[in-house]
Amino acid sequence: DADVTQTPRNRITKTGKRIMLECSQTKGHDRMYWYRQDPGLGLRLIYYSFDVKDINKGEISDGYSVSRQAQAKFSLSLESAIPNQTALYFCATSEGDPGRYGYTFGSGTRLTVV
Amino acid sequence: KNEVEQSPQNLTAQEGEFITINCSYSVGISALHWLQQHPGGGIVSLFMLSSGKKKHGRLIATINIQEKHSSLHITASHPRDSAVYICAVRSYGATNKLIFGTGTLLAVQP
Repeated sequence: DADVTQTPRNRITKTGKRIMLECSQTKGHDRMYWYRQDPGLGLRLIYYSFDVKDINKGEISDGYSVSRQAQAKFSLSLESAIPNQTALYFCATSEGDPGRYGYTFGSGTRLTVV
Repeated sequence: KNEVEQSPQNLTAQEGEFITINCSYSVGISALHWLQQHPGGGIVSLFMLSSGKKKHGRLIATINIQEKHSSLHITASHPRDSAVYICAVRSYGATNKLIFGTGTLLAVQP
């Protein structure tokens, strides 16, 4: 099994629908992150969490919410999906300071909002 | 202007060629990472640098902190090297995350 598992891998949804992307990890890392990737843009941070009680907004959190259900699970929700949320979404974990330890990435979720 | 810029955005090479991908950044950093993203989407870490040079197989990464510049070199390139190469930095002003460049799409033709 992968260290960081994202589900689903692909999803097509309609405008206005609520959708949840899930991430689970077996690394035992406290730090978890959600990023989105768009063509021509670098990975942009949506939310990050350092433990179950510590949730922080990233640079593009509007329209998204998260839940840290356990150390191993970090879910991203789109409350009312819109077409410009069509993107590739990545979950990542880190053992500590990402400068020192870097990230372990999931395989990504390709989301299309029609 | 992005804090992390990569060049070129796209690169096509013939098998066997020596390849250089560049990364420039505008912030003070404590570390720089090079990552690889294959067409299937998964992202893996290649190097973490805070100074000098690192080598792994045919890949070499260098960093010049004073010039705020890093390069990733691939020697004897091979079609399996085709991927997106991403530079990311850990800045002193944003210690909880990495800041990513937009990536360089490399295609190595046989």
